[in-house]
Amino acid sequence: GAVVSQHPSWVICKSGTSVKIECRSLDFQATTMFWYRQFPKQSLMLMATSNEGSKATYEQGVEKDKFLINHASLTLSTLTVTSAHPEDSSFYICSASLTPINYGYTFGSGTRLTVV
Amino acid sequence: SQQGEEDPQALSIQEGENATMNCSYKTSINNLQWYRQNSGRGLVHLILIRSNEREKHSGRLRVTLDTSKKSSSLLITASRAADTASYFCATVQTGANNLFFGTGTRLTVIP
Repeated sequence: GAVVSQHPSWVICKSGTSVKIECRSLDFQATTMFWYRQFPKQSLMLMATSNEGSKATYEQGVEKDKFLINHASLTLSTLTVTSAHPEDSSFYICSASLTPINYGYTFGSGTRLTVV
Repeated sequence: SQQGEEDPQALSIQEGENATMNCSYKTSINNLQWYRQNSGRGLVHLILIRSNEREKHSGRLRVTLDTSKKSSSLLITASRAADTASYFCATVQTGANNLFFGTGTRLTVIP
C-alpha cells in the first residue's frame, strides 16, 4: 500500500532558527501533498497544498513566508518553518494520496516541533 | 471555517458496547472519510464513503452518509480496549482534492 514517511519525528529548536520537515511518498508518486498542523487535543488544520513543480497553495491565515513549502520532486515535499517562535510549537503532519477521489489519504507519522 | 463538527467530543464506553460518532459538514462533497489517531501519532485511514453512497461497512465499522443533512455517522460495534483513540471525519469537497477535518471524537473503551 501507499506509504508516506515523515522526518524528523520530533525536533527541538531555539527561537529564531529555521527547521525543515521532510515528507516522502515511498512507493508511489504524489503530484500533490498536504501539510497540516495540529495543536494538543485539537483537530488537524490544513495549512497548504504542495504541488510538484509549482507554488504551494496556502490556506487563509497561513503565512507563506513563514512556512516555506518546496515540492521539487514527485516523492518529496518539504516544509520549512522559518524564524521559529514558541507559538509555532505544534504537531505537523503531511499526507498524500494515490487517487484522492477514490482512496483515502496516507499520512506521515507527524513531526513534533518544540521551539524554546 | 470549512471545518466540520463532530459529536460527541468525548465518549467513554465499556468493552463490548457499540460506539457511535456523528459528523456534520458544511459544503458539497465528493466523499467523506473517517480516520483514527492514537495519541501523538499519525492518522490511519479507516473508510471512505462517496457522495452517492448511503452506507458502507468494513469489519466492525459501519458508516452512513446523508448528503441532504450534510451529516455522517461512524458506528464501531463490539468495541475493544484497542479502539481507544481519537476519530476524525474529513471531507473532500466537490472539485477539490484536499481534506478538511472535523473536530474529532475522543473514544475511550474501558476494559
